[in-house]
Amino acid sequence: QVQLQESGPGLVKPSETLSLTCTVSGDSVGGFHWTWIRQPPGKGLEWVGNIFYSGNTYYNPSLESRVTLSVDTSKNQFSLKLSSVTSEDTAVYYCARLKEYSPVKWFHPWGQGTLVTVSS
Amino acid sequence: SYELTQAPSVSVSPGQTASIPCSGEKLENKYVNWYQQKPGQSPVLVMYLHSKRPSGTPERFSGSTSGNTASLIIGGTQAIDEAHYYCQAWDSNIVVFGGGTKLTVL
Repeated sequence: QVQLQESGPGLVKPSETLSLTCTVSGDSVGGFHWTWIRQPPGKGLEWVGNIFYSGNTYYNPSLESRVTLSVDTSKNQFSLKLSSVTSEDTAVYYCARLKEYSPVKWFHPWGQGTLVTVSS
Repeated sequence: SYELTQAPSVSVSPGQTASIPCSGEKLENKYVNWYQQKPGQSPVLVMYLHSKRPSGTPERFSGSTSGNTASLIIGGTQAIDEAHYYCQAWDSNIVVFGGGTKLTVL
Protein backbone atom coordinates (compact mmCIF):
# COMPACT_ATOMS: atom_id res chain seq x y z
CA GLN A 1 0.00 0.00 0.00
CA VAL A 2 1.48 3.31 -1.06
CA GLN A 3 2.28 5.85 1.65
CA LEU A 4 3.51 9.42 1.31
CA GLN A 5 5.37 11.59 3.81
CA GLU A 6 6.11 15.28 3.40
CA SER A 7 9.25 16.80 4.90
CA GLY A 8 10.96 20.17 4.95
CA PRO A 9 11.41 23.34 6.98
CA GLY A 10 8.38 24.48 8.93
CA LEU A 11 9.47 28.11 8.85
CA VAL A 12 10.61 30.09 5.83
CA LYS A 13 11.52 33.75 5.67
CA PRO A 14 9.73 36.11 3.28
CA SER A 15 11.31 36.36 -0.19
CA GLU A 16 13.13 33.03 0.29
CA THR A 17 12.41 29.69 -1.39
CA LEU A 18 10.17 27.07 0.18
CA SER A 19 11.45 23.53 -0.45
CA LEU A 20 9.52 20.39 0.40
CA THR A 21 10.07 16.72 -0.33
CA CYS A 22 7.56 13.88 -0.48
CA THR A 23 8.96 10.42 0.20
CA VAL A 24 7.00 7.58 -1.37
CA SER A 25 6.89 4.06 0.00
CA GLY A 26 5.08 1.09 -1.48
CA ASP A 27 5.31 2.35 -5.06
CA SER A 28 7.98 3.43 -7.51
CA VAL A 29 7.86 7.18 -7.91
CA GLY A 30 8.93 6.83 -11.52
CA GLY A 31 5.87 4.85 -12.55
CA PHE A 32 3.14 7.23 -11.50
CA HIS A 33 2.00 10.84 -11.49
CA TRP A 34 2.22 13.06 -8.41
CA THR A 35 0.79 16.30 -7.10
CA TRP A 36 1.12 19.04 -4.49
CA ILE A 37 -1.92 20.69 -2.92
CA ARG A 38 -1.93 23.29 -0.16
CA GLN A 39 -4.42 24.57 2.40
CA PRO A 40 -4.02 27.93 4.14
CA PRO A 41 -5.08 27.84 7.80
CA GLY A 42 -8.85 27.71 8.07
CA LYS A 43 -9.34 27.78 4.30
CA GLY A 44 -9.99 25.41 1.43
CA LEU A 45 -7.76 23.33 -0.81
CA GLU A 46 -5.60 24.96 -3.48
CA TRP A 47 -3.89 22.94 -6.19
CA VAL A 48 -0.19 23.76 -6.65
CA GLY A 49 0.93 21.50 -9.48
CA ASN A 50 1.27 18.03 -11.03
CA ILE A 51 4.25 16.11 -12.31
CA PHE A 52 3.65 13.17 -14.64
CA TYR A 53 5.96 10.19 -15.05
CA SER A 54 6.59 11.45 -18.58
CA GLY A 55 8.28 14.44 -16.98
CA ASN A 56 5.53 16.84 -17.96
CA THR A 57 4.53 19.36 -15.35
CA TYR A 58 1.41 21.50 -14.97
CA TYR A 59 1.11 24.32 -12.48
CA ASN A 60 -1.60 26.48 -10.97
CA PRO A 61 -1.57 29.57 -13.22
CA SER A 62 -1.52 31.81 -10.16
CA LEU A 63 1.72 30.18 -8.94
CA GLU A 64 3.33 29.11 -12.21
CA SER A 65 6.07 31.75 -12.24
CA ARG A 66 7.35 30.65 -8.82
CA VAL A 67 6.84 26.85 -8.76
CA THR A 68 9.07 23.98 -9.78
CA LEU A 69 8.26 20.30 -9.33
CA SER A 70 10.79 17.51 -9.80
CA VAL A 71 11.23 13.77 -9.24
CA ASP A 72 14.25 11.95 -7.83
CA THR A 73 13.85 8.28 -8.74
CA SER A 74 17.06 7.28 -6.90
CA LYS A 75 15.53 8.39 -3.60
CA ASN A 76 11.92 7.56 -4.53
CA GLN A 77 10.95 11.14 -3.81
CA PHE A 78 9.41 14.12 -5.54
CA SER A 79 9.87 17.75 -4.57
CA LEU A 80 8.33 21.19 -4.57
CA LYS A 81 10.15 24.50 -4.74
CA LEU A 82 8.24 27.76 -4.37
CA SER A 83 10.29 30.92 -4.71
CA SER A 84 9.81 34.47 -3.42
CA VAL A 85 7.40 33.41 -0.71
CA THR A 86 5.16 35.78 1.23
CA SER A 87 2.79 35.30 4.14
CA GLU A 88 0.16 34.30 1.59
CA ASP A 89 2.10 31.07 1.07
CA THR A 90 1.63 30.01 4.69
CA ALA A 91 -0.29 26.74 4.48
CA VAL A 92 -0.36 23.03 5.12
CA TYR A 93 1.24 21.44 2.07
CA TYR A 94 0.04 17.99 1.01
CA CYS A 95 1.59 15.62 -1.48
CA ALA A 96 -0.60 13.00 -3.14
CA ARG A 97 -0.52 10.41 -5.88
CA LEU A 98 -2.35 11.34 -9.04
CA LYS A 99 -4.16 8.24 -10.25
CA GLU A 100 -5.23 8.02 -13.84
CA TYR A 101 -7.62 5.77 -15.71
CA SER A 102 -7.75 7.77 -18.88
CA PRO A 103 -9.37 10.14 -19.21
CA VAL A 104 -10.30 10.15 -15.53
CA LYS A 105 -7.82 11.37 -12.90
CA TRP A 106 -8.06 11.69 -9.13
CA PHE A 107 -5.86 12.15 -6.03
CA HIS A 108 -5.31 9.14 -3.78
CA PRO A 109 -3.75 8.67 -1.33
CA TRP A 110 -2.58 11.86 0.36
CA GLY A 111 0.28 12.46 2.75
CA GLN A 112 -0.38 13.72 6.26
CA GLY A 113 0.59 17.26 5.31
CA THR A 114 3.21 19.62 6.66
CA LEU A 115 2.64 23.16 7.90
CA VAL A 116 4.91 25.79 6.40
CA THR A 117 4.83 29.24 7.96
CA VAL A 118 6.31 32.23 6.15
CA SER A 119 7.55 34.71 8.70
CA SER A 120 10.65 36.71 9.53
CA SER B 1 -10.69 30.48 -15.35
CA TYR B 2 -13.01 27.61 -14.45
CA GLU B 3 -14.73 27.75 -11.07
CA LEU B 4 -16.59 25.32 -8.85
CA THR B 5 -19.08 26.69 -6.33
CA GLN B 6 -20.10 24.98 -3.11
CA ALA B 7 -22.39 26.08 -0.30
CA PRO B 8 -20.33 26.85 2.83
CA SER B 9 -22.45 24.62 5.04
CA VAL B 10 -25.12 21.93 5.00
CA SER B 11 -26.90 20.51 8.03
CA VAL B 12 -28.62 17.15 8.35
CA SER B 13 -30.21 15.13 11.10
CA PRO B 14 -28.77 11.70 11.91
CA GLY B 15 -30.30 9.01 9.73
CA GLN B 16 -31.49 11.48 7.10
CA THR B 17 -30.13 12.03 3.58
CA ALA B 18 -27.58 14.76 3.03
CA SER B 19 -27.05 16.29 -0.39
CA ILE B 20 -23.94 18.39 -0.98
CA PRO B 21 -24.08 20.31 -4.27
CA CYS B 22 -21.22 21.57 -6.43
CA SER B 23 -21.89 23.78 -9.44
CA GLY B 24 -19.80 24.67 -12.44
CA GLU B 25 -20.35 25.40 -16.11
CA LYS B 26 -21.17 22.24 -18.07
CA LEU B 27 -20.03 20.16 -15.11
CA GLU B 28 -21.71 17.02 -16.42
CA ASN B 29 -19.11 17.03 -19.20
CA LYS B 30 -16.23 16.92 -16.72
CA TYR B 31 -15.11 14.22 -14.30
CA VAL B 32 -15.97 15.21 -10.73
CA ASN B 33 -14.21 13.82 -7.69
CA TRP B 34 -15.13 14.33 -4.03
CA TYR B 35 -12.87 14.46 -0.98
CA GLN B 36 -13.76 14.27 2.71
CA GLN B 37 -11.65 16.10 5.28
CA LYS B 38 -12.15 15.71 9.01
CA PRO B 39 -10.57 18.18 11.47
CA GLY B 40 -6.82 17.78 11.74
CA GLN B 41 -6.71 15.11 9.03
CA SER B 42 -5.70 14.92 5.39
CA PRO B 43 -8.39 14.85 2.72
CA VAL B 44 -9.57 11.43 1.63
CA LEU B 45 -11.07 10.50 -1.75
CA VAL B 46 -14.69 9.35 -1.27
CA MET B 47 -16.02 9.51 -4.84
CA TYR B 48 -14.51 9.71 -8.32
CA LEU B 49 -15.83 9.92 -11.85
CA HIS B 50 -19.05 11.45 -10.51
CA SER B 51 -20.37 8.28 -8.84
CA LYS B 52 -17.63 5.65 -8.37
CA ARG B 53 -16.81 4.69 -4.77
CA PRO B 54 -13.19 3.79 -3.98
CA SER B 55 -12.64 0.87 -1.66
CA GLY B 56 -13.29 1.99 1.89
CA THR B 57 -16.07 4.44 1.07
CA PRO B 58 -19.33 3.27 2.68
CA GLU B 59 -22.19 2.32 0.38
CA ARG B 60 -24.33 5.11 1.87
CA PHE B 61 -22.21 7.54 -0.21
CA SER B 62 -23.32 8.13 -3.80
CA GLY B 63 -22.82 10.76 -6.46
CA SER B 64 -24.73 12.23 -9.34
CA THR B 65 -24.28 14.94 -11.95
CA SER B 66 -26.79 16.73 -14.12
CA GLY B 67 -26.22 19.81 -16.18
CA ASN B 68 -24.17 22.27 -14.19
CA THR B 69 -24.50 20.56 -10.80
CA ALA B 70 -22.81 17.57 -9.22
CA SER B 71 -23.99 16.25 -5.89
CA LEU B 72 -22.51 14.05 -3.21
CA ILE B 73 -25.33 12.24 -1.48
CA ILE B 74 -25.07 10.53 1.88
CA GLY B 75 -28.00 8.29 2.74
CA GLY B 76 -28.61 7.49 6.41
CA THR B 77 -26.08 10.10 7.51
CA GLN B 78 -24.07 9.23 10.60
CA ALA B 79 -22.21 11.40 13.10
CA ILE B 80 -18.91 10.13 11.67
CA ASP B 81 -19.82 11.75 8.34
CA GLU B 82 -19.47 15.23 9.84
CA ALA B 83 -16.61 16.79 7.88
CA HIS B 84 -15.69 19.21 5.12
CA TYR B 85 -16.37 17.97 1.60
CA TYR B 86 -14.59 19.29 -1.48
CA CYS B 87 -15.57 18.71 -5.09
CA GLN B 88 -12.81 18.71 -7.70
CA ALA B 89 -12.74 18.72 -11.48
CA TRP B 90 -10.32 19.26 -14.35
CA ASP B 91 -10.29 22.12 -16.80
CA SER B 92 -7.94 20.73 -19.44
CA ASN B 93 -4.73 20.14 -17.44
CA ILE B 94 -5.68 22.51 -14.62
CA VAL B 95 -7.08 21.20 -11.34
CA VAL B 96 -9.99 23.08 -9.79
CA PHE B 97 -11.37 22.61 -6.27
CA GLY B 98 -14.64 23.91 -4.93
CA GLY B 99 -14.47 26.04 -1.81
CA GLY B 100 -15.71 23.20 0.37
CA THR B 101 -18.89 22.46 2.30
CA LYS B 102 -18.98 21.79 6.02
CA LEU B 103 -21.48 19.04 6.73
CA THR B 104 -22.94 19.24 10.22
CA VAL B 105 -24.86 16.27 11.60
CA LEU B 106 -27.19 17.42 14.36
